Amino acid sequence: DTAVSQTPKYLVTQMGNDKSIKCEQNLGHDTMYWYKQDSKKFLKIMFSYNNKELIINETVPNRFSPKSPDKAHLNLHINSLELGDSAVYFCASSQEAGLSDTQYFGPGTRLTVL
Amino acid sequence: AQSVTQLGSHVSVSEGALVLLRCNYSSSVPPYLFWYVQYPNQGLQLLLKYTSAATLVKGINGFEAEFKKSETSFHLTKPSAHMSDAAEYFCALTGAGRRALTFGSGTRLQVQP
Repeated sequence: DTAVSQTPKYLVTQMGNDKSIKCEQNLGHDTMYWYKQDSKKFLKIMFSYNNKELIINETVPNRFSPKSPDKAHLNLHINSLELGDSAVYFCASSQEAGLSDTQYFGPGTRLTVL
Repeated sequence: AQSVTQLGSHVSVSEGALVLLRCNYSSSVPPYLFWYVQYPNQGLQLLLKYTSAATLVKGINGFEAEFKKSETSFHLTKPSAHMSDAAEYFCALTGAGRRALTFGSGTRLQVQP
């Protein structure tokens, strides 16, 4: 019955590799997000999709590419991984893209780049 | 630009004591404000949110927060701390057409027995 799920939960990889993180929500929401939490616990938005359309694209290296095959899924692909990409990545979803809409977060994916 | 400032990266209270976590915001337009809690190795869970309906907002687990426009604050309180309240707390806002959450730096709450 998990509302927002992410796979994998942990990801350990070498510099230069390409990896993907998957996110699925079963809440019927229209909007999904990717946030990055750094080692100091600071959270920052990376991307957001509304009905499969990209609506937020923060200043993120273009090695990061989100993909939304349908409203329930938002995946994050990262090319040529760097040490600085090590972080916890959270997926979230909300009913719509309204400013007061509650965002529901997944459990996070801890990415470690060696 | 919008921003959120959480005063005190660590707060320690005794079990049964008042919990007060401070949050101040900066926004050019009336914001929507949120408090989220993050337990170790978990995602974020909404505690409460302010959407301009009422300045005193009650949330889950006995927490509440009061929106004070004159002080640009949205402090989180709980009358009596529980050991289970130990976690990281984040204040966040949306507004000015920016749908994504802008987070503060977080406050780690420790509850001493």
